[in-house]
Amino acid sequence: TQLLEQSPQFLSIQEGENLTVYCNSSSVFSSLQWYRQEPGEGPVLLVTVVTGGEVKKLKRLTFQFGDARKDSSLHITAAQPGDTGLYLCAGADKTGNQFYFGTGTSLTVIP
Amino acid sequence: GAGVSQSPSNKVTEKGKDVELRCDPISGHTALYWYRQSLGQGLEFLIYFQGNSAPDKSGLPSDRFSAERTGGSVSTLTIQRTQQEDSAVYLCASSFTPSSEAFFGQGTRLTVV
Repeated sequence: TQLLEQSPQFLSIQEGENLTVYCNSSSVFSSLQWYRQEPGEGPVLLVTVVTGGEVKKLKRLTFQFGDARKDSSLHITAAQPGDTGLYLCAGADKTGNQFYFGTGTSLTVIP
Repeated sequence: GAGVSQSPSNKVTEKGKDVELRCDPISGHTALYWYRQSLGQGLEFLIYFQGNSAPDKSGLPSDRFSAERTGGSVSTLTIQRTQQEDSAVYLCASSFTPSSEAFFGQGTRLTVV
């Protein structure tokens, strides 16, 4: 069962453009993580958000956790080819012992 | 070790054969996870270990799938009587505690022909 739906599923943009990826669920999560995965590699953690309404910035990436802790967004400013990859959100259940991964967003940034 | 290690990196097997996939987590990590990923898709949870016990086996697709972990370290995922729909990348991750950052291996690409 996929508890987390990501949109869009695929995104192809030109270098320099901005984009937002959404991660939505009907479930409440105790925390939410965003990962980035390159081809042939495992996912690598970008950020963890734990408080409803929390906003974290990582250089050109801005992550937001919804007030109700059911959804999150990732905004990338001035995308670069190096941002290309599969972006995955993962929500922790109330026990904190299990992370449910989203459906993924495949991003391609064209030089 | 320096990171999570999985072996083999690639496995091609005939339909109906059994396969064993191995995961060596980062030393000291108590939590270990197995996921399955189809091409370009998200991760499907299979099983979670805390130490040697598996509190959550709910993601195992069928009774052909089993997993164990010994010594709080190495884990093996076994698929019996493989089917073509089992073809996927199997990813293992470990974390120091269940709620902390998960570190992933590079995965085992399984192809059932």
